[in-house]
Amino acid sequence: EIVLTQSPGTLSLSPGERATLSCRASQSVSSNYLAWYQQKPGLAPRLLIYGASSRATGIPDRFSGSGSGTDFTLTISRLEPEDFAVYYCQQYGSSPRTFGQGTKVEIK
Amino acid sequence: QVQLVQSGAEVKKPGASVKVSCKASGYTFTSYTIHWVRQAPGQRLEWMGWINADNGNTKYSQKFKGRFTITRDTSANTAYMELSSLNYEDTAVYYCATSGYCGSGNCYHPIDYWGQGTLVTVSS
Repeated sequence: EIVLTQSPGTLSLSPGERATLSCRASQSVSSNYLAWYQQKPGLAPRLLIYGASSRATGIPDRFSGSGSGTDFTLTISRLEPEDFAVYYCQQYGSSPRTFGQGTKVEIK
Repeated sequence: QVQLVQSGAEVKKPGASVKVSCKASGYTFTSYTIHWVRQAPGQRLEWMGWINADNGNTKYSQKFKGRFTITRDTSANTAYMELSSLNYEDTAVYYCATSGYCGSGNCYHPIDYWGQGTLVTVSS
């Protein structure tokens, strides 16, 4: 199965700053079938990005995804107070679908 | 709007089984696929399997094959997951979620809408 490793584990930033989150796969992700989710405490994950770079419905354009093959990035251009959360990447190009271990974006 | 409403928290003893329901509304139930994903305390999300709501075709993660079953009732727009032979490591929040319709093999649709989660606690 494909193992996804996210870095850093925790990102301490201030509102208005830029956040760059990394997701590295143990083997190439088929057709860039890579998604990003946001999860806040006690809530279900929320789809942000699919197909490595397509924003899901209703997602603000400050969220962007890039990458291909084994290296993917989620960028939040200017952090809003509601963006402080845990972010997960997930590949859905091969079975079983797998998730990264998450990156926590916390207020500095 | 798409809504997935799951049944309430459960406490089970080791070796028992648990069944969790997921009632869908706001879309055509049989046009989509429902997945089950779990999250143990402090652990990453873990995909368990999916079911096509129209024909009942399923696909399971090898990790859970043999003790994990997904079913659905199209008349009630509800999907179910049942996990048997529970052990302490099965303590987790279990989520149902939808994606675009999956074919008979791999599924190349992202999981988009999620239920609120059901906490299953395994305790003696």
